[in-house]
Amino acid sequence: QVQLQQSGAELAKPGSSVKISCKASGYTFTSYAMHWIKQTTGQALEWTGYIAPGSGGTKYNEKFKGKATLTVDKSSSTAYMQLSSLTPVDTAVYYCARGRGHYFDYWGQGVMVTVSS
Amino acid sequence: DIQMTQSPASLSASLGETVTIECLASEDIYSNLAWYQQKPGKSPQLLIYYANSLNDGVPSRFSGSGSGTQYSLKINSLQSEDVSIYFCQQNYDSPYTFGAGTKLELK
Repeated sequence: QVQLQQSGAELAKPGSSVKISCKASGYTFTSYAMHWIKQTTGQALEWTGYIAPGSGGTKYNEKFKGKATLTVDKSSSTAYMQLSSLTPVDTAVYYCARGRGHYFDYWGQGVMVTVSS
Repeated sequence: DIQMTQSPASLSASLGETVTIECLASEDIYSNLAWYQQKPGKSPQLLIYYANSLNDGVPSRFSGSGSGTQYSLKINSLQSEDVSIYFCQQNYDSPYTFGAGTKLELK
């Protein structure tokens, strides 16, 4: 069965970076894009971007360019999102989600990123 | 960016009732509309894609309809396990945007 297993919660200081992971199993990793979605405590969902694991090609929401960097390790079927220059506004739950077209049929359990001094 | 306006923001209904949630896009999205259910403390789960296609394993009491800019999610015969937040999402054009969500509670 398809599973997306994300890394654990992160507590980071303002100005620092974090790199969160999403390990895929149960399907051919290179056949589906991996999307990343931010959910703030107010429940709003924002699409951050996606990466095509086969080619490494990426597409970002303009709002997250310079903030998020998406990469993959095909050998371990793992996708990564690095968030840089963190501010309290980046505090949120971040999900990875498998793309079917540009909707999302499987989601990871989410990673809580808290930015606080 | 395409704006997705979802209504109502919250909804209280009784077991067995039929409920409808609406989603209005700021421009034509040509049925590229998905609905997700998010139970408390869990990840969103895909219910409906391409406006009216039921995802595998989703109960048939859920249905989607609409075209152009107006879409709706209908839940027939409400069950206790349907208490959730429901989101619409347009996947027609990047950035792929979501509605603000509808919180469904039992009366």
